[in-house]
Amino acid sequence: SQKIEQNSEALNIQEGKTATLTCNYTNYSPAYLQWYRQDPGRGPVFLLLIRENEKEKRKERLKVTFDTTLKQSLFHITASQPADSATYLCALEVGGSTLGRLYFGRGTQLTVWP
Amino acid sequence: KAGVTQTPRYLIKTRGQQVTLSCSPISGHRSVSWYQQTPGQGLQFLFEYFSETQRNKGNFPGRFSGRQFSNSRSEMNVSTLELGDSALYLCASSLGGSQETQYFGPGTRLLVL
Repeated sequence: SQKIEQNSEALNIQEGKTATLTCNYTNYSPAYLQWYRQDPGRGPVFLLLIRENEKEKRKERLKVTFDTTLKQSLFHITASQPADSATYLCALEVGGSTLGRLYFGRGTQLTVWP
Repeated sequence: KAGVTQTPRYLIKTRGQQVTLSCSPISGHRSVSWYQQTPGQGLQFLFEYFSETQRNKGNFPGRFSGRQFSNSRSEMNVSTLELGDSALYLCASSLGGSQETQYFGPGTRLLVL
């Protein structure tokens, strides 16, 4: 069956450290992978998109990698801050007949403590 | 540009009733997707409409239906509500092509008693 798994439901790290979140998928052939951030009581907000032929993408303190052989994406937040505390969701876009549809993981709740 | 808006924001219904939720996408966006979010199941895809046509559908019973109007606004209807339908219902709009960012609304919190 198709699965998208994000590492541990919760991740707690100290301010200033690098947070690394994992997204593993099975039985999908994603063309693109996106990461979203969701704060309590709000809708998800887009952060980054990476294509299958891209190994790495960066945006300010954020870095995403995409390994289609391992079927895994890693999401890094460097120099983390308490304001980075939120739930982070990975989402796959397969395309083709499901163009327009994203498949979401359940998310990892990140807490950055001072 | 105004963001995605959803109405109502909060709703309380009883079992057996029906409910209609509304979503206004970002101007120019032709795709609207609906998701159900619960603590146990995460974000689950309901359906997606593009230019008034249902283009994708998730694995939800027929009690869940939707439509999209010519101005891209979308409504979602749930009939014969069950306790398990209590959730945050999110809609997201996009241009509808590949590699498109989805812009989410704030959601409608539905509580079924």
